[in-house]
This record gives sequence, C-alpha cells and structure tokens, in this order.
Amino acid sequence: QSALTQPASVSGSPGQSITISCTGISSDSSVSWYQQYPGRAPKVIIYNISDRPSGISNRFSGSKSGNTASLTISALQGEDEANYYCTSSTGTIPVVFGGGTKVTVL
Amino acid sequence: QAQLVQSGTEVRRPGAAVKVSCKISGYTRTAQGIAWVRQAPGQGPEWMGRMGADNRNTNSAPKFQGRLTLTIDSFTRTAYMELRSLTSDDTARYFCAREWRQNSLDPWGQGSLVTVSS
Repeated sequence: QSALTQPASVSGSPGQSITISCTGISSDSSVSWYQQYPGRAPKVIIYNISDRPSGISNRFSGSKSGNTASLTISALQGEDEANYYCTSSTGTIPVVFGGGTKVTVL
Repeated sequence: QAQLVQSGTEVRRPGAAVKVSCKISGYTRTAQGIAWVRQAPGQGPEWMGRMGADNRNTNSAPKFQGRLTLTIDSFTRTAYMELRSLTSDDTARYFCAREWRQNSLDPWGQGSLVTVSS
C-alpha cells in the first residue's frame, strides 16, 4: 500500500478535462507524474510539480496545494487512455510511487 | 539522445539470484544517477534503489537491503542490478532509469522480465 493515494480510476469523454489527485505529499517535496501504457515503461510527463519535459503536450498540467498534487488533462483524447502515477519523496526514499490511476476515455 | 537498453527475460528458481544489465548511451554520465524500479504483474511501480553519478553513493529501499546490489561498469557504461534470495514475490518487470530533474526519472529502459518459479 503506497504512502501516496490516487483514485483507482478516472474517466472522461473526448474533449473534456479530467483531474487526478495524489494525496500524501510532503510540504517540501517535488512531484512528478508518469504516463504508462500496458507493456511499456513509464514516461515522465510532469516534473517539479508543474514543469513539462520537452515534447510533452501542453494539455498536461500539474499543480500542488498543501499535501495534494494534481494532474489535469485537458481536451481529452483517446491516446490519453493509460495508467498515471504520481511520485514524491520521503525522508529516506527519493522516489515513492502512488498507487496509480487508470484513465478511461469514454 | 539518452537511451537505456536492458538485458532480456530471466527465469529463476526460488532462492536463486538474478543480475540484470542496463546499457547506457547518448549522454555523458557526469551528474546523474541510475535508479532501479520494479513492477509486479498488475501492480504499480516500486522504487528499489539507486546508484549515484560518483559510482559510490548508493541507497536502497529498506525492504531490499541485504539482498540488493547495484553496480556500474564505467568502462562499458553498463549498470547492473543483482537481487538475491528470490521468492515468487520477486516476479516482476525490472526497469533502470536515469535520475533526471527534481527526482524525476527519464529515460527508462525497456524493462527486463524476471520470473521466479519452482
């Protein structure tokens, strides 16, 4: 059981926006978000709470308030159907993964 | 561009050890460590440990301490993860990944499937 809590699933229709929460973040910790398709390695889509790596769509955005981080996917597309994981750090472990959220595009 | 290429599928008996390799290319490994993450079937990823860019500073998650060894051969630019005293709970895909910005991991290797079965 992860120290970071995410909803098991989130769904939305094409064109809509959805938000995935990640609770349990330490106040001084950075947050990253990863997208993972079945059978593939995770890929970072947000780092440092809200920064996007080069090549990542600006439809993905991150934020943090208190001990909760959020990933918002706007203008939802079929290709966004995947599993999403947040990460943060604890005192001894630099990367702790959330339990993951399956995004379904209706 | 940075690329990590891992060794292939492994099958081991309970109690045995496995060593997975991760070939690093496309960047100069001067200030970036290598982390190892595993993912059991149907589960989320789990951080196992890391080796720092200095090839000396390592740390691992408490649950793996004592049976996990991380090494890097700087000459061949290959990182290794050895896990000993395997049980069926260690059946998973094992990934290496470069430590990038603010504790993020990028890129990742393609993963190495390790199956532990009697």
